[in-house]
Parts: sequence; C-alpha cells; structure tokens
Amino acid sequence: DQQVKQNSPSLSVQEGRISILNCDYTNSMFDYFLWYKKYPAEGPTFLISISSIKDKNEDGRFTVFLNKSAKHLSLHIVPSQPGDSAVYFCAASEDNAGNMLTFGGGTRLMVKP
Amino acid sequence: DTEVTQTPKHLVMGMTNKKSLKCEQHMGHRAMYWYKQKAKKPPELMFVYSYEKLSINESVPSRFSPECPNSSLLNLHLHALQPEDSALYLCASSQVGNTEAFFGQGTRLTVV
Repeated sequence: DQQVKQNSPSLSVQEGRISILNCDYTNSMFDYFLWYKKYPAEGPTFLISISSIKDKNEDGRFTVFLNKSAKHLSLHIVPSQPGDSAVYFCAASEDNAGNMLTFGGGTRLMVKP
Repeated sequence: DTEVTQTPKHLVMGMTNKKSLKCEQHMGHRAMYWYKQKAKKPPELMFVYSYEKLSINESVPSRFSPECPNSSLLNLHLHALQPEDSALYLCASSQVGNTEAFFGQGTRLTVV
C-alpha cells in the first residue's frame, strides 16, 4: 500500500511557464513533507519542505502548498527553466525527528526551451 | 562541506562475493541512512543510525549488514547477494531531529 502517491509519472512544460507537481498521501500521521529533485546518476537533492502547521512555504521560484484536509500537497515552480528538468520526489515523515522518509513514485518534469 | 560521499560509484559482484559500500560525511550529522532504489521506483529506507546506533531496520535481509564505525562513516557490508538485489544504494545524513536529509550520489550495484 503506497502511502505517498504521485499520480503523474511525467509532466512537460514550456520554459517560463508554471510547473505544478502533485502529491497525495494516505497516512494522517504524516506531519512533515519534503520535495527532492533527482538528476540521472545523482542522489536526490533536497528542494523545499513544509510542516503540517503551515499551508504554504516559498523559496525563490519554488512554492509548496499543503492541504491537510485533502491530504494533498503540490510543488509550484515559476518560472520553469530547462535546468529544472529532473525527477521530483515527494516525501513524508511522521515526525521531524530524523526518522524514515516515505517517498512517492516520482514525477519526471521536462521543461522545453 | 555539504557533501555525502559514497564509494564506489559502481560495483559488480558475484553471488558468492563479500563487498562493502562506504559513505562519509563531514557535516556533523549524527543521523545516517541507507536507502535502496530500484529502477523507476522511489528510494526505500533500509537502515537508520542515530548517534552511531542502529535505530531502524526496515526488515532488511541479513545478507545486508550495516556498520557505523564513527559519526562520519557508514558502511554497508554485502554477502551472498541475489541478482534481485541489484539497485542504486543511497546513503543520506541529517541532523538528529531534522528530516531534511542530504543524499550521496549512490552506488550502482549489479549482482551477477
């Protein structure tokens, strides 16, 4: 049973436009959420996170939105750049105690020039 | 230094071999992790070390044996692996009490 789901395996966006990556979860005990970006042959790179006490966190071009009642979060990238092309993983944790991360299946983002 | 360094980058081993994967970080992180990632799948947690002690073992077979000799190093000893164990093995570290883990590049393991 997948506790973290990314239902879109891939997404293609034009450069300069907004990229929206979605993530759903089923475990109501999750209270900390992270997005990681992964290039081929590299490990995941931490991008942005959000605690369950917030509904929005912004860092430059990246904004994460959390809707706890819907158990849904999304990552917005504005404006999208070709260098953003990568696989994006949503991850969740039951507490911010350095314990296990549960990853979603990933969404491959392709930003076209 | 914000790097997690894993060696080797690639490893091919036979089912009767014994090998070790190594991971090193100098960020002062006292939580270290091993994840396994199969092709087109998300990373899956294997082990968590906190203050050099094994705190989580996600029901990993005994042919995988982790070791944390000090606060900067994490090893994964491999013995009698199966071809289905072929995967990307990722090491990560974080501050204890912080879920924002830094990942290494991974070791691409092929068992023949």
